[in-house]
Amino acid sequence: DTAVSQTPKYLVTQMGNDKSIKCEQNLGHDTMYWYKQDSKKFLKIMFSYNNKELIINETVPNRFSPKSPDKAHLNLHINSLELGDSAVYFCASTDLGRMHEQYFGPGTRLTVT
Amino acid sequence: GQQVMQIPQYQHVQEGEDFTTYCNSSTTLSNIQWYKQRPGGHPVFLIQLVKSGEVKKQKRLTFQFGEAKKNSSLHITATQTTDVGTYFCAGPNYGGSQGNLIFGKGTKLSVKP
Repeated sequence: DTAVSQTPKYLVTQMGNDKSIKCEQNLGHDTMYWYKQDSKKFLKIMFSYNNKELIINETVPNRFSPKSPDKAHLNLHINSLELGDSAVYFCASTDLGRMHEQYFGPGTRLTVT
Repeated sequence: GQQVMQIPQYQHVQEGEDFTTYCNSSTTLSNIQWYKQRPGGHPVFLIQLVKSGEVKKQKRLTFQFGEAKKNSSLHITATQTTDVGTYFCAGPNYGGSQGNLIFGKGTKLSVKP
């Protein structure tokens, strides 16, 4: 059983389009995250979501908006895609009551042309 | 702001050689985590260190947390091709919400058979 799943795995789209990436975790964790990993492999946190509290990294453009319908899901919507948005996006989850180790999804490779 | 630095950025070794990556934090950390990301894969949690001077071993991997809890290292003895990947250290992000991690930029290990 997949612990943290993401769809789609690959996403190729043109500049200016709007797209969404979905994430689901079946671990019963209370906190979920979105990370962006660029071509140099730098992992940067974009959002964290815990008990309906959203913490936004101030460097993230407001074209990015996370949406959490429930504790097991945290989707990422991106408006007006730009070339610089091309990256791998990882969803992750953790249980803040335990070790705080994070479980990552398989990633979504976004390519903006 | 808070920083977690890792060196080296890249390491190429011959199979059977040892490998070490070093992690330094600008602030004292309550704990440090290590993750491994295989090529094309997602980060996978390896271990968490909590105590000052702590040393933990996982088969050929030895993890150490410095006495001042500002630095850490991962040492692999007699590397194998299965060790290929990028190794990240991560510490709590004190500027973010609880459970947020700040990742080092990673050390990419390649192993020549």
